[in-house]
Amino acid sequence: SQQGEEDPQALSIQEGENATMNCSYKTSINNLQWYRQNSGRGLVHLILIRSNEREKHSGRLRVTLDTSKKSSSLLITASRAADTASYFCATDGGASWTDKLIFGTGTRLQVFP
Amino acid sequence: DGGITQSPKYLFRKEGQNVTLSCEQNLNHDAMYWYRQDPGQGLRLIYYSQIVNDFQKGDIAEGYSVSREKKESFPLTVTSAQKNPTAFYLCASSSRTGDHSNYGYTFGSGTRLTVV
Repeated sequence: SQQGEEDPQALSIQEGENATMNCSYKTSINNLQWYRQNSGRGLVHLILIRSNEREKHSGRLRVTLDTSKKSSSLLITASRAADTASYFCATDGGASWTDKLIFGTGTRLQVFP
Repeated sequence: DGGITQSPKYLFRKEGQNVTLSCEQNLNHDAMYWYRQDPGQGLRLIYYSQIVNDFQKGDIAEGYSVSREKKESFPLTVTSAQKNPTAFYLCASSSRTGDHSNYGYTFGSGTRLTVV
């Protein structure tokens, strides 16, 4: 079963614009993570936000978490063509002693130069 | 450099044939995972292992088998019982901290399996 659902499924923007993608999940969580996947490649971990955190920053990335709405957003500021990739959220499903992650369906981001 | 190595990058399987995908990590991670990704889809968990000589089924384990005889290695066998094996297979590992996972996964670069 897939825990997370990203929205939108696809997003196209111009370089320099901000990109916002959203993730909704179904159960309680301990943390939520965002990953990036370039076409035909493995996923790369971007950022982790714990359930008791509301916002986290890393470079041009800003992640928010609203556990009451079971949702998270990833904002990429001043986007670049190199940001073109698919972005996935992943949650642990609230498990007490496991590292098992459940991934969403992803948002495909296209940044035009 | 530490990381995860998946091999081969491309694999072709004939009908009725078993094939094994390799996954090796030198990160000293306890936990390892296998995911399947279909075109335009998210990742679905096949099997995972949190410690040597132990593994658990994920959401789509039917037609697959794994072993975890060494900490560094977690090979996945796609058996003839898997009727639709054409997909992109991703292996990952993570460090267990004694609490909830506080670290992200490290992924390999994937194996693309095609049935011919």
